[in-house]
Amino acid sequence: NAGVTQTPKFRVLKTGQSMTLLCAQDMNHEYMYWYRQDPGMGLRLIHYSVGEGTTAKGEVPDGYNVSRLKKQNFLLGLESAAPSQTSVYFCASRGTNTGELFFGEGSRLTVL
Amino acid sequence: SQKIEQNSEALNIQEGKTATLTCNYTNYSPAYLQWYRQDPGRGPVFLLLIRENEKEKRKERLKVTFDTTLKQSLFHITASQPADSATYLCALANSGNTPLVFGKGTRLSVIA
Repeated sequence: NAGVTQTPKFRVLKTGQSMTLLCAQDMNHEYMYWYRQDPGMGLRLIHYSVGEGTTAKGEVPDGYNVSRLKKQNFLLGLESAAPSQTSVYFCASRGTNTGELFFGEGSRLTVL
Repeated sequence: SQKIEQNSEALNIQEGKTATLTCNYTNYSPAYLQWYRQDPGRGPVFLLLIRENEKEKRKERLKVTFDTTLKQSLFHITASQPADSATYLCALANSGNTPLVFGKGTRLSVIA
């Protein structure tokens, strides 16, 4: 099983450019999450989804948008990238009856 | 304000000793608390979950305690090995449907 797959793994953007991070899970999980991880800050929740077609804001949602058009995919978009969005982004998913999160390997984004 | 604090950024111990990591929280009433392991450049991996009505949970060399009066969880690794060197993250959720909130982690180094 692939579990949770994130693409791309690395990306360099210029300020003002846009991009989309894709998260795909093959475990039929209802819940999906996007976190960012920065040195000294730990994992912080950006947006999450409790099911297909739903999204909700987390702790640090500004500058990001998300979509969950299909149950297995959760997309994170940056419309106009800023240097403050340089980070490692992690996607995670979980089933309805368990609290355990399954994480992807991360996407390292650098905004110049 | 709500806080999750892991007592130290880094902890060094000798091989064979028991490592004890602390997670304290304020202004949460967690339904459960979880511990994850994260290796450099990788996504976090789930280790243990303990519910609010449980005092202790064990899995092989790992033991977690949960004291809702002290608002604290302790994570123990007995007979530690160099392969246990990693960052360990504490996370909690107020209910089964709310997203996990993570502490900043403790980087454990087990020295041979």
